[in-house]
Amino acid sequence: RKEVEQDPGPFNVPEGATVAFNCTYSNSASQSFFWYRQDCRKEPKLLMSVYSSGNEDGRFTAQLNRASQYISLLIRDSKLSDSATYLCVSLNQAGTALIFGKGTTLSVSS
Amino acid sequence: DADVTQTPRNRITKTGKRIMLECSQTKGHDRMYWYRQDPGLGLRLIYYSFDVKDINKGEISDGYSVSRQAQAKFSLSLESAIPNQTALYFCATSDPRQGNTGELFFGEGSRLTVL
Repeated sequence: RKEVEQDPGPFNVPEGATVAFNCTYSNSASQSFFWYRQDCRKEPKLLMSVYSSGNEDGRFTAQLNRASQYISLLIRDSKLSDSATYLCVSLNQAGTALIFGKGTTLSVSS
Repeated sequence: DADVTQTPRNRITKTGKRIMLECSQTKGHDRMYWYRQDPGLGLRLIYYSFDVKDINKGEISDGYSVSRQAQAKFSLSLESAIPNQTALYFCATSDPRQGNTGELFFGEGSRLTVL
């Protein structure tokens, strides 16, 4: 089982839609979870950390479910500029480095 | 200027050639990483280093070697390049002491093509 797994998509949604991405991780001891965003042909950049109690940053909400070992990202009121690949990230089994999921591609259309 | 700089940005080479990708950073971070990205496979960790005297293998270290010449420099070498090493390579840094534990700061990537 890959350490971090996520649905590759693509997710094609209209502007204004709400979209959710899920991701599962295998290291039950991991304390670090993140969502990164990667634009086409660019480097990944941190979108937001994921905290145990869930957290929100504007239109973006991240949730963590430790019992089921999954994290989610909810995007409300999608904008054209949200079109990108979203990468789920957790610690590797050794707890020493970040491991990335393959990414979920989002395309927002007008 | 970028905080994490990779050179070269693009390189085309032939099978069997030795290639070095270089990474330098001005962020003062102790931790540095090399990832490769392939379509459909995402980002995979090759090697990482927590300080100058520390080198660790990642998921896919076979066929690669690294050198941490200084806190600010971390180079990736392909001793004898092969076509399946064609990929986009990213260098990254992090410093958990500076707040957001685990935030990685990436360079702009080095696109390597092995013919």
